Amino acid sequence: QSALTQPASVSGSPGQSITFSCTGTSSDVGGHNFVSWYQHYPGKAPKLIIYDVSSRPSGVSNRFSGSKSGNTASLTISGLQTEDEADYYCSSYSSSNTPPYVFGAGTTVTVL
Amino acid sequence: QVQLVESGGGVVQPGTSLRLSCAASGFSFSSLTMHWVRQAPGKGLEWVAVISNDGSQKYYADSVQGRFTISRDNVENTLDLQMSSLRPEDTSVYYCARAPNGAWHNFDYWGQGTLVTVSS
Repeated sequence: QSALTQPASVSGSPGQSITFSCTGTSSDVGGHNFVSWYQHYPGKAPKLIIYDVSSRPSGVSNRFSGSKSGNTASLTISGLQTEDEADYYCSSYSSSNTPPYVFGAGTTVTVL
Repeated sequence: QVQLVESGGGVVQPGTSLRLSCAASGFSFSSLTMHWVRQAPGKGLEWVAVISNDGSQKYYADSVQGRFTISRDNVENTLDLQMSSLRPEDTSVYYCARAPNGAWHNFDYWGQGTLVTVSS
């Protein structure tokens, strides 16, 4: 059972915007601005797309944006494209005993 | 460019040992903290272990504490994970991941992973 809760799947049509959540506790998501998001195509290396809640690494499309409210972080993909079809994982630093880094179970994005 | 290439995975029996390696290139390996993260079949990502840039600090997930050992060679630019007393629940794809300067909580580059299957 993953420490962070994500919806198993989300879908949208090309051009639409979708938003999905990552819910934790006050020890992780709610207690720190250390939430990150990863895009993962099966069989490939995961890719960091959002760090520190809402920052984008160089080279990542500005169609990806992150936010946080309380114990829930969110990832928004704007102008959905077929290439966005992948698994997305959230992660957070945790100040609870262990582990110090927790992940969600992942959200599969399907482009209809 | 940054490259992380894992190796050493395979099929092993419960109770045995296995050593994974991650070859790093394209960046100053000795400057950065490194992690191991794993993904069991059909499951989400699970953090396994972290080692500081100089190897002086190491931390482990409870699930592997006492059985796994993380280490690094800053001359050869390699990261290792020595796994012992392997259990079926350790079956996963194991990824090495880099943490950027001063941000242990971010994993900014990952390898493609190596599959470990623990089965009798």
